[in-house]
Amino acid sequence: DAGITQSPRHKVTETGTPVTLRCHQTENHRYMYWYRQDPGHGLRLIHYSYGVKDTDKGEVSDGYSVSRSKTEDFLLTLESATSSQTSVYFCAISVQGAVLEQYFGPGTRLTVT
Amino acid sequence: AQKITQTQPGMFVQEKEAVTLDCTYDTSDQSYGLFWYKQPSSGEMIFLIYQGSYDEQNATEGRYSLNFQKARKSANLVISASQLGDSAMYFCAMREGRETSYDKVIFGPGTSLSVIP
Repeated sequence: DAGITQSPRHKVTETGTPVTLRCHQTENHRYMYWYRQDPGHGLRLIHYSYGVKDTDKGEVSDGYSVSRSKTEDFLLTLESATSSQTSVYFCAISVQGAVLEQYFGPGTRLTVT
Repeated sequence: AQKITQTQPGMFVQEKEAVTLDCTYDTSDQSYGLFWYKQPSSGEMIFLIYQGSYDEQNATEGRYSLNFQKARKSANLVISASQLGDSAMYFCAMREGRETSYDKVIFGPGTSLSVIP
């Protein structure tokens, strides 16, 4: 258990509204990631962070922004939600060590109507 | 260009039989890592096994083994003695670059495995 929580776990929102998803970890891991999962696409990286205030874009970053003001929290914001952003969002951390495998949070199911 | 290919959208296997899930990858890096994750119907992502590009031996973790063929750029997952609890989506993933660097991991589209009693 890598101590990762996500909130909220489920959210329904309307097109055009801002939405913020939170990822919280308890073990001071340096690297954190946001993915979205859609059928037929696996997981696609949205943004990642390699330290406090250090973030970079992934392959599907358009329409999303992130912030990391504390080691333990990584926030994903949809400034103006669209129906194409309906998805399951996963947060992940990399565990320092020989392999740097990623461990995932439980996911947030977001529906944009 | 797709970097991770999983050509089997769905697979069936009889309980207690072995099954191989295919994964091919594309990279020009000499140093990379390959992962397999399991996602049961409950939705969580579970790390199963890892293979480094310089590892000479195929990775094994209990009933899971990774058949790594570097020249063919394939990293197939073999599950021995399938159990009903193995029914899930399985994702192959790759990290390019040195293991000590921060990593971006690319996932394949997944294979849905169903174990038949």
